[in-house]
Amino acid sequence: KQEVTQIPAALSVPEGENLVLNCSFTDSAIYNLQWFRQDPGKGLTSLLLIQSSQREQTSGRLNASLDKSSGRSTLYIAASQPGDSATYLCACAGGNNRLAFGKGNQVVVIP
Amino acid sequence: DTAVSQTPKYLVTQMGNDKSIKCEQNLGHDTMYWYKQDSKKFLKIMFSYNNKELIINETVPNRFSPKSPDKAHLNLHINSLELGDSAVYFCASSQDLEGFPSYEQYFGPGTRLTVT
Repeated sequence: KQEVTQIPAALSVPEGENLVLNCSFTDSAIYNLQWFRQDPGKGLTSLLLIQSSQREQTSGRLNASLDKSSGRSTLYIAASQPGDSATYLCACAGGNNRLAFGKGNQVVVIP
Repeated sequence: DTAVSQTPKYLVTQMGNDKSIKCEQNLGHDTMYWYKQDSKKFLKIMFSYNNKELIINETVPNRFSPKSPDKAHLNLHINSLELGDSAVYFCASSQDLEGFPSYEQYFGPGTRLTVT
């Protein structure tokens, strides 16, 4: 059974600093890994998807890396802004594309 | 244009009642899912359907019954609601079931169910 862990559970950073969010997973047999953003009381917004054969994906200020052999992914957010305050969820796609989620990194960017 | 929509957004009901949550996607996807997010914000998959066929059925009480009238709709019916059913239920869809390339899942806005 896939177990996904996200560290740290919560963090606060001053505006302008780079954010580094870590995700680890126990079963390396994944089809892809997705990073989502969830705002309070809202749904999930997909940020990046990394296929199992890829090492990283980039979108604007966001960069996500994937190391299947060590069971790790890292989401980097450059030059953080107050609007980046949210919970970031890491999810691994296993058989039948079922997603196994971590509990999230709750981020507060202080203006 | 809403990609994955759910109704209702909020649902407050009493124990023992039966309720349904509806989900529709206009993305032309083949696969739809139901996830539950509990009070600790932990998301877990409940069901998935591929072209109206049940593919994933996690350890969910049989009071929960998904129904897919067509591949654009996946509804969730819950019988005899219990306090522990209070949660946010998310519907999602994706283009394909598995294999390479595998496709990202798109989530609806969620339905907050409160059982009193």
